[in-house]
Amino acid sequence: QSVLTQPPSVSGAPGQSVTIPCTGSSSNIGAGYDVHWYQMVPGTAPKLLIYGNTNRPSGVPDRFSASKSDTSASLAITGLQAEDEADYYCQSYDISLSAWVFGGGTKLTVL
Amino acid sequence: QVQLVQSGAEVRKPGASVQIPCKASGYNFPDYYIHWVRQAPGQGLEWMGLIDPSGGDTHYAQKFQGRVTMTRDTATSTVYMEVRSLTSEDTAVYFCARETSMSSCDHWGQGTLVTVSS
Repeated sequence: QSVLTQPPSVSGAPGQSVTIPCTGSSSNIGAGYDVHWYQMVPGTAPKLLIYGNTNRPSGVPDRFSASKSDTSASLAITGLQAEDEADYYCQSYDISLSAWVFGGGTKLTVL
Repeated sequence: QVQLVQSGAEVRKPGASVQIPCKASGYNFPDYYIHWVRQAPGQGLEWMGLIDPSGGDTHYAQKFQGRVTMTRDTATSTVYMEVRSLTSEDTAVYFCARETSMSSCDHWGQGTLVTVSS
């Protein structure tokens, strides 16, 4: 059971938008620690998608955006494309565990 | 360009140990922490710990304390992670990753599959 909670799966048709929530607690997201998001295509290494709650690394399309509020965060993907089909993970720091923590991951299916 | 290169797949018997190298290039090795993250088959990402290549300080997830050791060789810009007393539950792909200034990981190794089987 992951410290950060994500839905196991989401789906959307090409061109549509989806949102992936990440729910934490007062010892991680709620304590003010940044949330980061990774995209992971099976068989490959994770790719940093969003860092510091809302920032996109160079090369990440602006179709990807994220937000953070209280004890949760969310990743939004607009204009879904087939290439977006992947697993998405949120990550933060937990002060009680003194550890980096990941969400359980959300599989995005582009219908 | 920044690269983290890991070794190929390993097979070990239960009770054995495995050491995985992660060779860094394209940046000043001492300047960035290296983290280790693993993914068991069909499971999510699990953080194992980190090493500061500058001084060698380490911080492990509680689950792995006493069974995992991270070291570094500054001469070759390589970090190593050793996992001891392997069980089938340690079968996973192990990734090294470079931490950025904002506590995320911007570059990752390609992953090393460790299979523990009798």
